[in-house]
Amino acid sequence: GAVVSQHPSRVICKSGTSVKIECRSLDFQATTMFWYRQFPKQSLMLMATSNEGSKATYEQGVEKDKFLINHASLTLSTLTVTSAHPEDSSFYICSARLGGYNEQFFGPGTRLTVL
Amino acid sequence: LAKTTQPISMDSYEGQEVNITCSHNNIATNDYITWYQQFPSQGPRFIIQGYKTKVTNEVASLFIPADRKSSTLSLPRVSLSDTAVYYCLVGDLTGANNLFFGTGTRLTVIP
Repeated sequence: GAVVSQHPSRVICKSGTSVKIECRSLDFQATTMFWYRQFPKQSLMLMATSNEGSKATYEQGVEKDKFLINHASLTLSTLTVTSAHPEDSSFYICSARLGGYNEQFFGPGTRLTVL
Repeated sequence: LAKTTQPISMDSYEGQEVNITCSHNNIATNDYITWYQQFPSQGPRFIIQGYKTKVTNEVASLFIPADRKSSTLSLPRVSLSDTAVYYCLVGDLTGANNLFFGTGTRLTVIP
């Protein structure tokens, strides 16, 4: 199956700093990538949809200026959490979809802890 | 937007067959049903996908009745390693309405 990687797998940062998370499709080109956030014991919540070469589409309630998404190539999307605060601590998961197919391929996730 | 409803949790003994049912009363004609498995601190993993009747692969079976308003994921002879959260999603092959996860079902396999 298609493989999606994320880097870093775990990051701890101080409040007020910015953190960048990378999502890569390793063996296929992903026209669309998705970013999710998952708090402990809760389900995944879609944050935004990222299309290569265009601006991301954010879900209601997600601040686009706080969560910057860049999808510069067909194999890489990045999520930058700007001016992170403790309430941003969460598990961030990306997924990628082959064009026209329903199945999503998920990355392993990134655990962000903001002190 | 087809909403899904699943039991919050289930327990099962090792070696038993487990059936997890998902309700999706508002499923659209073009929607498919997809199930994912998630272990703690990992991304979800695709299990199975179907449109109608029965689909079987090496890890599970998916039963979908004629009205397609529900579906049942069947895991044969579960082991401790099957302890995870299972999510069902519905959506068409080209649209975006399959991206919303419901509560999922937390399956605990007991030795």
